[in-house]
Amino acid sequence: AQKVTQAQTEISVVEKEDVTLDCVYETRDTTYYLFWYKQPPSGELVFLIRRNSFDEQNEISGRYSWNFQKSTSSFNFTITASQVVDSAVYFCALSEVLRATNKLIFGTGTLLAVQP
Amino acid sequence: EPEVTQTPSHQVTQMGQEVILRCVPISNHLYFYWYRQILGQKVEFLVSFYNNEISEKSEIFDDQFSVERPDGSNFTLKIRSTKLEDSAMYFCASRGQVGYEQYFGPGTRLTVT
Repeated sequence: AQKVTQAQTEISVVEKEDVTLDCVYETRDTTYYLFWYKQPPSGELVFLIRRNSFDEQNEISGRYSWNFQKSTSSFNFTITASQVVDSAVYFCALSEVLRATNKLIFGTGTLLAVQP
Repeated sequence: EPEVTQTPSHQVTQMGQEVILRCVPISNHLYFYWYRQILGQKVEFLVSFYNNEISEKSEIFDDQFSVERPDGSNFTLKIRSTKLEDSAMYFCASRGQVGYEQYFGPGTRLTVT
């Protein structure tokens, strides 16, 4: 069965601190995609990154970086030098490629509060 | 930049009434989805739609729900005989043939009273 676990319900940091959001997933498939989405207070879901199961290279985009480790089934997200605008709920999601629908299985989300 | 749009942004309805939530996916996308998020909870898959038919539906998507692509641009979710527990944010999403990321609309907040 597919499952995504985000054990951190809520994290509070002070601006300029680094913060890592954890994501652990379960799947029986060998081919899958992992995603992070951001949901700011306005409610929309914003796509941040996609990573496929064959690509374990870490990725950096500005202040954001992602660490994918297949050995521990984890896909963690780090924000460096956090800003108040980073305050949002962050969702990790899994999609199994061999299923034609590629539906997204979401974790429960981590609420990040960045204090000024 | 192309985006998914949804109307209305907020719908209030009485229990037992029918509602239709509308979505306009990104124009060259082929796969369409509806998800639901009950307040404060995670986003849950409802249904996927490809080639003018449902390709997968969750256990939530029972006979009360239906989807339709009435023309080349709109994608609708109909909820018949709404219940209090249908109150949620409903998101439409679409994706293209290449790449697996789904792009979400801003959502429709449905309130059933």
